[in-house]
Formats: sequence, structure tokens, C-alpha cells
Amino acid sequence: QQQVKQSPQSLIVQKGGISIINCAYENTAFDYFPWYQQFPGKGPALLIAIRPDVSEKKEGRFTISFNKSAKQFSLHIMDSQPGDSATYFCAASTNDYKLSFGAGTTVTVRA
Amino acid sequence: GAGVSQTPSNKVTEKGKYVELRCDPISGHTALYWYRQSLGQGPEFLIYFQGTGAADDSGLPNDRFFAVRPEGSVSTLKIQRTERGDSAVYLCASSPVPGTEAFFGQGTRLTVV
Repeated sequence: QQQVKQSPQSLIVQKGGISIINCAYENTAFDYFPWYQQFPGKGPALLIAIRPDVSEKKEGRFTISFNKSAKQFSLHIMDSQPGDSATYFCAASTNDYKLSFGAGTTVTVRA
Repeated sequence: GAGVSQTPSNKVTEKGKYVELRCDPISGHTALYWYRQSLGQGPEFLIYFQGTGAADDSGLPNDRFFAVRPEGSVSTLKIQRTERGDSAVYLCASSPVPGTEAFFGQGTRLTVV
């Protein structure tokens, strides 16, 4: 069964808007939470990652928010651009190598 | 090469046949991983190599699946008696050491007909 639940399955946002993707997990032993971006025909590429000792991490237009007590974390894409159109996966691991991925969110940014 | 290279990009095989999928990791990366991605799903962990040895093969679905990395560089994922349910994209990734960013290849799309 899936250890990381991701929503929504897909979303459409206007250029300049904010995309928000949510993930929830049950295994409290998870201590590493990365987000990956995948374009069609390509492998996933690491976008940004967070550990549970911080509640937020920002890199450019991408921000992870982490709520340890709720066992939830989310990705915010600010000022969304057409080039951000891709599938985004959240993931979690206890040992940094064995990643459990969510099912993915397809983001479409309309110009 | 500059990134993780996987060959072939696409493989179509008949049910019951044997296939081998190859992964060339980034030079110098000691950790190597195989994942399987079914259509519309996230990747699922198969196996992890540290050097030449399989440190964790708990994700291999059954004994038809086997992987090797004899010289600590190139890895081959081997699938015997393929079934239609094996159809998926098989992803390889490598990292300099475990716990650092894993770089994924473009994957091999396996179709069993």
C-alpha cells in the first residue's frame, strides 16, 4: 500500500498563479522529504527537500511547508510559469535511499 | 557521460521471454538504485547497491527479478519469464554516497506483449 498519499491528482493554474500540492504520510520514522519534478520521457529530478527539524524551506519560487504533528507536507510553486508544467512527486524515506513516492500530481500552467 | 544512462530506451518482448536492462551510473557514484514506475504512478523501489553488493533488495517483487553490479559501476536488471504485469518504466538512479541526491536516468520502457 502507498505510504505517502498525494493530492490533487492534477491541477491547472494560470501563469503567475500559485500551485499547491499536498502529501500525507503515516510512518513517523520518515526523516527525509524530497519533491521531484518529472517531464514526459524523462526521469524524476530533485527539486527541493526538507528534514523534519524545520517547518519551511524555500528555494527560488519553490517552497516546502512541513507539519510534523499532522504528518503532512506540501509544495508551493509561486509565480507559476508554463515551463513548470510537469508531474510532481512527493517522497519520503527513513534512510535517504529507499524512497516511498506519492502517486504524482500533473501540473498544467496556462499562459 | 554527464548523467545516468539507461539502455535500451524502449524494449518490447513477448510474454515468457528473458530481458536485461542496463544502467550506466554517473562516474564515481558508489550508490545505485533501481525503481519501477507504472503508468500514472510514482516510482517504486526495487533494489539498492552500495558498491558491488546489493545492500537492500527488499523491493524486488519475486524471484524472476535479479540485478547485478559486478564491478561497482554498470548494473544490469534481469527479468526472467516476463509477464504482462511487468510492463512499466524501469528507472535507475545513482548518488555519490547514500544519503545524497539521487540522479535518475531517463528510464527503460518495458512492454511485455
